[in-house]
Formats: sequence, structure tokens, C-alpha cells
Amino acid sequence: QSVLIQPPSASGTPGQRVTISCSGSSLNIGSKTVNWYQQLPGTAPKLLIFNNYQRPSGVPDRFSGSKSGTSASLAISGLQSEDEADYYCGAWDDSLNGPVFGGGTKLTVL
Amino acid sequence: QVQLVQSGAEVRRPGSSVKVSCKASGGNFNNYIINWVRQAPGQGLEWMGGIILTFGSVKKAQNFQDRITITTDESTSTTYMVLRGLRSDDTAVYYCARGAYCGGDCSSPFDFWGQGTLVTVSS
Repeated sequence: QSVLIQPPSASGTPGQRVTISCSGSSLNIGSKTVNWYQQLPGTAPKLLIFNNYQRPSGVPDRFSGSKSGTSASLAISGLQSEDEADYYCGAWDDSLNGPVFGGGTKLTVL
Repeated sequence: QVQLVQSGAEVRRPGSSVKVSCKASGGNFNNYIINWVRQAPGQGLEWMGGIILTFGSVKKAQNFQDRITITTDESTSTTYMVLRGLRSDDTAVYYCARGAYCGGDCSSPFDFWGQGTLVTVSS
């Protein structure tokens, strides 16, 4: 059971907007920033969003992040087939005294 | 361009140990942490521990406190992770990933990742 809770799956059609949620507590998301990672099939994770909403260089602005209270969200607009991947949220946890991840959300582009 | 290149796949017997390496190049690694994250087949990401390169100090996840050793060789810019007492449920892909050192209690993003090393534990 992951400390951060994500829906196991999400889906959308090309061009749609989808959101993926990440729920935590005051010990992690509620007091720390959130990062998001994209993992394409058979590859290593890639940093997608950091500090709740910032995008590393090269990440399209179709990807956006937000945080409210003890939850965070990743939104993908203008969905494309190449967005089909697993998405993970991550944050520091004060109780475990280390970084924790969500269980991951598998995004399917229909 | 920052690169983390890991050693190749390993097969080990239950009860044995495995050593995985992660060679860093192409960037500034002062004030950075090399973290180790594993992913069991079909499962999510699990942080195991990390070493602060500037200070050489190690932080370990509670689940791995007694079984993991993380070291670094500054002369070759290579970080090593040893996991002892292997069990079948240690079968996983092991990744190293760079994160900025930010004082120890902050959500430092893992901005560069190694390609992963598959460790298979089987009798």
C-alpha cells in the first residue's frame, strides 16, 4: 500500500484533457512540494513536473501540475497517443523521513 | 548532458548479495544526492536510500536499514548499492537517480535517472 494514493488507471481520447489525482496527508503533500514522473513502457521514469507545477526544460506545456491541501493533480491537455504511460507522484514524507511515491496511474489513450 | 550509466543485469541466489553500480558524467554533482529506487515487476516505485555526494553521508529507507549499503568512489564518479540477504521478492529493476540536496526534509525532484539494472533472485 503506497503512502500516496493514485487511481490505478485513467483514459482519454486524443485531444481530450485528463487529470490524475494524488492524495496524501499533512505529513507529505500537505507540507511538501510534489513531483510527477512519466514512465513510458520499458524505460526509466522521467521527471515531468517539479515543485508542484514547474516543468523541466523540454516538457510540453500540455502537462500541468497543481496542489491543494493534501492532494495534487496532474493534468494533460490535448492528449496524444505518445502520452500513454505510467504516471507517478512523489513527495517527501516527514513520518518515514524519506521520499515516497504514489502507486502509479496507467494512462491509456483510446 | 548529465548521464547515469548503470551496470548490467544480475542473477542471484536467495540469501546472497548483489552490487549495482551507477557511473555519473556530464554535469555538476556537488550538492546532489544519488538515490536508489527499485521497481518490482508490474509494481510502482520504491525509494531505498541515497548518498549525499558532497558529504558522503547516507540516508536509508526504513525497509532497507539492515540490508543496504551505499558508497561512492569520487575518483571514478561511481556510486554503488549493495543489497544483502536477497529474497525472491527483491527481484526488481533497480534505478539510480540524481536529486538535489536541499537540507534533508524536502521533495527534491529526481531529475536524471539511470537506465535501470534488472536483478533476478531465484534458486
